[in-house]
Amino acid sequence: GENVEQHPSTLSVQEGDSAVIKCTYSDSASNYFPWYKQELGKGPQLIIDIRSNVGEKKDQRIAVTLNKTAKHFSLHITETQPEDSAVYFCAARGGGTSYGKLTFGQGTILTVHP
Amino acid sequence: EAQVTQNPRYLITVTGKKLTVTCSQNMNHEYMSWYRQDPGLGLRQIYYSMNVEVTDKGDVPEGYKVSRKEKRNFPLILESPSPNQTSLYFCASSLGLASDTQYFGPGTRLTVL
Repeated sequence: GENVEQHPSTLSVQEGDSAVIKCTYSDSASNYFPWYKQELGKGPQLIIDIRSNVGEKKDQRIAVTLNKTAKHFSLHITETQPEDSAVYFCAARGGGTSYGKLTFGQGTILTVHP
Repeated sequence: EAQVTQNPRYLITVTGKKLTVTCSQNMNHEYMSWYRQDPGLGLRQIYYSMNVEVTDKGDVPEGYKVSRKEKRNFPLILESPSPNQTSLYFCASSLGLASDTQYFGPGTRLTVL
């Protein structure tokens, strides 16, 4: 089955700096890659996603890039703010008969210092 | 308000005592799923359902059962809970594969003694 590896497990930045979180996946048939943000005591919330026919997607300060050949995708947050502090998860959706399955990475705890 | 609700939010139980965690969504979503979250392991999918009466195993289905008798509800059943099922559980739903955004519930923290 699909395996998703996420790095780093913790990331500490100063307000205004950029943050980058990277994920790799194993199943070349995977075709959908969402990123979720989880704040303390809450369920994960989708912040951005990308499909396998797109190489990059941007939404204000957040961008995601996908390299299908290398099977990795990354989340980029620019001009970080203290409210960006949270746990971030990447995920990959299987292809073919596994299209209902969503496999998550281990999570990255992002701390933005004022 | 569009939402996914879970009950109970917190539960402490003992080994072997059957329990059910309910999940309900009011968005007419076709797809529903259960995950467990453990430190260092991220979220792992237990079961998912593409529509009424259609359920499939995720990555960690052992020790769990689900049912999807109606579109809005997707209960998670632990027939004989064990301590290794102590975890934070999330239910999620999405409109369907055409719209992949999954909406998560607030979570259920389960402790099995």
